Amino acid sequence: DTEVTQTPKHLVMGMTNKKSLKCEQHMGHRAMYWYKQKAKKPPELMFVYSYEKLSINESVPSRFSPECPNSSLLNLHLHALQPEDSALYLCASSQDPTWGFEQYFGPGTRLTVT
Amino acid sequence: GENVEQHPSTLSVQEGDSAVIKCTYSDSASNYFPWYKQELGKGPQLIIDIRSNVGEKKDQRIAVTLNKTAKHFSLHITETQPEDSAVYFCAASIDNAGNMLTFGGGTRLMVKP
Repeated sequence: DTEVTQTPKHLVMGMTNKKSLKCEQHMGHRAMYWYKQKAKKPPELMFVYSYEKLSINESVPSRFSPECPNSSLLNLHLHALQPEDSALYLCASSQDPTWGFEQYFGPGTRLTVT
Repeated sequence: GENVEQHPSTLSVQEGDSAVIKCTYSDSASNYFPWYKQELGKGPQLIIDIRSNVGEKKDQRIAVTLNKTAKHFSLHITETQPEDSAVYFCAASIDNAGNMLTFGGGTRLMVKP
C-alpha cells in the first residue's frame, strides 16, 4: 500500500471559520509534509514533520497550525484564513527523514476561502 | 535559498516523438533532483530521480541527465504516448534527506495522437 489519503477532498470556508485538513498514511513512513499549490504553480513546502516532531516551518503564517498526533496521521488546522489562502493543499510522506527517499503525495484538499 | 528554473512551460509533441524538459538550479550544494508527474486532479508522482554523484539514470522510456558543473539537469522521454500528457515538475533539494524540495515552475506536456 503506497497510498497517502487526504480528507476532505474539497473544503469551502469563511474567513472566520475554523477547519482542519487530515492526512493519513499506513506505510510506516516517519517523515510527513504539507505543501501548498496555487493554480498553475508548483507545490511550495510549508511544514516537515520528522518522527512526529516539527522539524521545518517555512515561515508559514500562524493561521496555519500543523499537528502530528501519531506516526500515521498529520493534520493542518486552519483559522482566520484569507481568500489568498485558497489553494490545493498537498500532504506527502517519505520513509525516513534522515535519508533521501521518495516523497509520496496524496491527492490534495482543494480549499476555497470566501 | 535555492531557485529552480524550468523550460519550456508548455511542450506539444506528436505521439512517438521524444520530449526533453530542462531545469537549472542556483545552489551548488543541491544534491538530490527528482522529477514529478502531476495529472489533473491528482498529487505529484515521482517518475525518476538522480543524486549528485550520478550523471545519468534511465528507467525504460525515461532518462535524466545531470551536469553539476553547469548546474542543470534534464528529463528525456522517448516514444511518447498520449498517457504521458501531464504537468511535469523538476525539483532540487539541498539537504541530504531530500526533505526540502524546491520545485521548478512546471512543464505542461501534450502528446497528440
